[in-house]
Amino acid sequence: EAQVTQNPRYLITVTGKKLTVTCSQNMNHEYMSWYRQDPGLGLRQIYYSMNVEVTDKGDVPEGYKVSRKEKRNFPLILESPSPNQTSLYFCASGRDLDEKLFFGSGTQLSVL
Amino acid sequence: GENVEQHPSTLSVQEGDSAVIKCTYSDSASNYFPWYKQELGKGPQLIIDIRSNVGEKKDQRIAVTLNKTAKHFSLHITETQPEDSAVYFCAAAQGSFGNEKLTFGTGTRLTIIP
Repeated sequence: EAQVTQNPRYLITVTGKKLTVTCSQNMNHEYMSWYRQDPGLGLRQIYYSMNVEVTDKGDVPEGYKVSRKEKRNFPLILESPSPNQTSLYFCASGRDLDEKLFFGSGTQLSVL
Repeated sequence: GENVEQHPSTLSVQEGDSAVIKCTYSDSASNYFPWYKQELGKGPQLIIDIRSNVGEKKDQRIAVTLNKTAKHFSLHITETQPEDSAVYFCAAAQGSFGNEKLTFGTGTRLTIIP
């Protein structure tokens, strides 16, 4: 089954404790992207990747890191999480950014 | 950069009536306009999309129209049903090499009243 898998689904952590949210796709897609969803603000892009070893900043990259060492995986890293990073996070993949995107089920992150 | 505005933020319609959601974009280089539906507790799913060389596209009860001159596009849902209740996002994208951009609107919460 074609899918984008995010883990974990829920995460509660404390300020400053490094964390990683994993994202994996099984469709051989070149384009992958991370979004955060906040009430009233819609989906805002954090980082995206057009291919392996190619990543670029989206609209709200501060406080986040990503890597794309292999095609299927695109982890999101928060080196020192802060409460303003409490949000619902989505990973997405597609053949290209102007093609259909497949979204993961989301990760609800709470930073205390 | 691209700015996508979406209206209204909430919309309630009687079952069987039509619903219209509107978006405007700022970058004339944008050439791909998808619409996503997000049900409670799930990730967004593509429901329809349109490219800049087309003015209208229809898929059963759903249609999208694009006015490139005015830089706006709209989602039309006819004969609404309870399962249409969800949050809908529009987006605008351009894939020019070195200037790739995909920007979402802020979403519309559609409620169908039985």
